[in-house]
Amino acid sequence: EDKVVQSPLSLVVHEGDTVTLNCSYEVTNFRSLLWYKQEKKAPTFLFMLTSSGIEKKSGRLSSILDKKELFSILNITATQTGDSAIYLCAVDQGTDKLIFGTGTRLQVFP
Amino acid sequence: KAGVTQTPRYLIKTRGQQVTLSCSPISGHRSVSWYQQTPGQGLQFLFEYFSETQRNKGNFPGRFSGRQFSNSRSEMNVSTLELGDSALYLCASSLVVTDTQYFGPGTRLTVL
Repeated sequence: EDKVVQSPLSLVVHEGDTVTLNCSYEVTNFRSLLWYKQEKKAPTFLFMLTSSGIEKKSGRLSSILDKKELFSILNITATQTGDSAIYLCAVDQGTDKLIFGTGTRLQVFP
Repeated sequence: KAGVTQTPRYLIKTRGQQVTLSCSPISGHRSVSWYQQTPGQGLQFLFEYFSETQRNKGNFPGRFSGRQFSNSRSEMNVSTLELGDSALYLCASSLVVTDTQYFGPGTRLTVL
């Protein structure tokens, strides 16, 4: 059965901390891995990863994929309260079908 | 470019009723996917449409159905509502040639 597993399920940190979110997957078909941030309603797109070892970066957020070990990490440095959200990892199997993990809930306190 | 829009944003129904949700994709996007999000199950794939054809379907009962129109707008229908159908229903659209899906704001369905 195809599955995407995220850890930890929940994370509580203080502003300024650095966090690492994990996503591992076991799927029959893999096209890409995507990270989304969900604050209140719809997830907003963060990164799409297709190749191993190439870091994607956007401000304080960065992500990398390891296709050999079947996992990805999302790093957030110097966290801010606005980073508080659920971070979702999804694997795109092609034909626009995504398999999502259950997400990591990040809470950043001042 | 306007984003994905979903209507209505909130809906309250009672058991046994049926409901229709609507999704308008980003202009130019021809693929529309539907997801159900519940606290316990996370995001689960319902179905995906492209050019008015259902290409993929998740593991949901036949009470869940959908369709896509020639302008790529899509509707999702749930018949004989059950309490467990209470969820946030998200629609996402994408260009066929790219892998990135863009989500709408969702429709919050509450079944009483």
